[in-house]
Amino acid sequence: QVQLQESGPGLVKPSETLSLTCTVSGGSVSSGSYYWSWIRQPPGKGLEWIGYIYYSGSTNYNPSLKSRVTISVDTSKNQFSLKLSSVTAADTAVYYCARGTVFGVGMPYFDYWGQGTLVTVSS
Amino acid sequence: DIQMTQSPSSLSASVGDRVTITCRASQGISNSLAWYQQKPGKAPKLLLYAASRLESGVPSRFSGSGSGTDYTLTISSLQPEDFATYYCQQYYSTPITFGQGTRLEIK
Repeated sequence: QVQLQESGPGLVKPSETLSLTCTVSGGSVSSGSYYWSWIRQPPGKGLEWIGYIYYSGSTNYNPSLKSRVTISVDTSKNQFSLKLSSVTAADTAVYYCARGTVFGVGMPYFDYWGQGTLVTVSS
Repeated sequence: DIQMTQSPSSLSASVGDRVTITCRASQGISNSLAWYQQKPGKAPKLLLYAASRLESGVPSRFSGSGSGTDYTLTISSLQPEDFATYYCQQYYSTPITFGQGTRLEIK
């Protein structure tokens, strides 16, 4: 059974960089079949896709965040990470990591999710 | 970007009711649609993908249909554990987008 677990600071100051890591167990980030993804949800609001990384290192980011986002993978630790720079209060959200699966061709849907971690941007 | 619009935004129903939630895409998405269930304080759970394919382990009272721009999620007989918020997601093109959610409440 695949499990994902987010970790990182729960409080980030405005203008600084948010950094989160997702540790995968029961599966490998080196698998060629999956897209390792980040999704966020502001308190009381809906879901926003941030981006994904493929095992090869190729990435795809939401254009709304692209200038501030970096997703990377560490195959030796079976982890992938999110960095979001120049954060503001609008970046306060629960951040989820998820495994993306492609059915046929196209973009992925998300079949396994971490429990989520709340990141608050405040001084 | 493809905009996903769900209706209704909220819905009250009783145990045993048949419920339908609709998701409309701003352009055709060729059945590249997933449905998720989210309970308070929990991560979303995948229910269906490819518009109508049931994820393993999901009860058969959940079903999906649709084509082109219009899709539906149906719960045939509501159970107490089904009261939650439901989201649709298109994966036809990037950026991946979600509907705004439908909150299903107990009447």
